[in-house]
Amino acid sequence: DTEVTQTPKHLVMGMTNKKSLKCEQHMGHRAMYWYKQKAKKPPELMFVYSYEKLSINESVPSRFSPECPNSSLLNLHLHALQPEDSALYLCASSQVGGGASKTYEQYFGPGTRLTVT
Amino acid sequence: RKEVEQDPGPFNVPEGATVAFNCTYSNSASQSFFWYRQDCRKEPKLLMSVYSSGNEDGRFTAQLNRASQYISLLIRDSKLSDSATYLCVVIRLSGSARQLTFGSGTQLTVLP
Repeated sequence: DTEVTQTPKHLVMGMTNKKSLKCEQHMGHRAMYWYKQKAKKPPELMFVYSYEKLSINESVPSRFSPECPNSSLLNLHLHALQPEDSALYLCASSQVGGGASKTYEQYFGPGTRLTVT
Repeated sequence: RKEVEQDPGPFNVPEGATVAFNCTYSNSASQSFFWYRQDCRKEPKLLMSVYSSGNEDGRFTAQLNRASQYISLLIRDSKLSDSATYLCVVIRLSGSARQLTFGSGTQLTVLP
């Protein structure tokens, strides 16, 4: 089972709202990722969690707040977003470990299409 | 200079054609390389890993040239269903974490 699930599929929110995006995987992966993708652009890395600890934050504004409550779940809390934050938000997961020479492919969820009005 | 540069495309080819995409990367510490495929309004899906020895999966062949720092993807006997955006992906260590960078993607349209 190589499935990563994300909810909701679509989200429309106002600039004063607080909402959360959720991601779940049951592949036993210990690395999870958030990406943002604008139309006709490649995904851009936002955050990386490794063993439930935040290991990379790509200078993402504080209005995006990630959370990894356990090894299967990854959340992205949204607050006071701007219209330019409208995008497809993708979650991914991968294995980790095997030493510095080993890297693993990432598996992506279907994404949440976010519109900020 | 971008860390990963990819053929901009778009590529429009007839069914049955052979088409090749290239990607170059700037960081010699890059460790792992993949090709992903993304259909319109869908998530990226792993197509294949890329190894120095080259690897083949049916009609798809991927190659890595570490000396020249580029990766390639060859699609033989193109099918209509191959129409998608193809993204090269480069992973390198960043501290203790692995950092993944996408190329900008190359759009392929296979025409009947």
